Amino acid sequence: QTVVTQEPSFSVSPGGTLTLTCGLSSGSVSTTNYPSWYQQTPGQPPRTLIYSTSRRSFGVPDRFSGSILGNKAALTITGAQTDDESHYYCVLYDGGIWVFGGGTKLTVL
Amino acid sequence: EVHLVESGGGLVQPGGSLRLSCAASGFTFSTYWMNWVRQAPGKGLEWVANIKYDGSDKNYVDSVKGRFTISRDNAKNSVYLQMNSLRAEDTAVYYCARDFRPDYWGQGTLVTVSS
Repeated sequence: QTVVTQEPSFSVSPGGTLTLTCGLSSGSVSTTNYPSWYQQTPGQPPRTLIYSTSRRSFGVPDRFSGSILGNKAALTITGAQTDDESHYYCVLYDGGIWVFGGGTKLTVL
Repeated sequence: EVHLVESGGGLVQPGGSLRLSCAASGFTFSTYWMNWVRQAPGKGLEWVANIKYDGSDKNYVDSVKGRFTISRDNAKNSVYLQMNSLRAEDTAVYYCARDFRPDYWGQGTLVTVSS
């Protein structure tokens, strides 16, 4: 059974840069896992930030970028803003199905 | 503008059934994969199922195989999730999401399985 791992929580100061990661229990993440990243605030549906590793969804500022770092997918946020305080989820395609990570709660303070 | 509206949620007893619907607009529905993703109260996202644009390929998470069935009607721009043998652990907000790599999401519909 595939498990996708994310940091449970992360904290950053306003204006700072951070990188969240997304790992795969079965091995290294690659572009063929089509990593995507979503932002979700309480009571709202997820908002797509990044798809297919590094492609920004329409309207997403270029402060958000996606990549593969080592053996994990990564979401980097530069110039963190208080509005970025949210839950962030990654999803990976593995074995014919999609598997979400448990999410990272980002605090900006 | 892409618009997805889920409906059909509600309170159901364990062992019962429910059929969710998702009405799509603002894009050529018949050319996109569609997904159902759920979120239990206070928990993370869980992908449930997807269906190819022509209905010829369907995939499910192991926990719902044999109980849930995804289907679509391209003439009605709608995707459905038939949920049978419901369990307490199926309690969640159910979202439909467009495309093979989920991009646009609906607002969700709440399913509560409880006696």
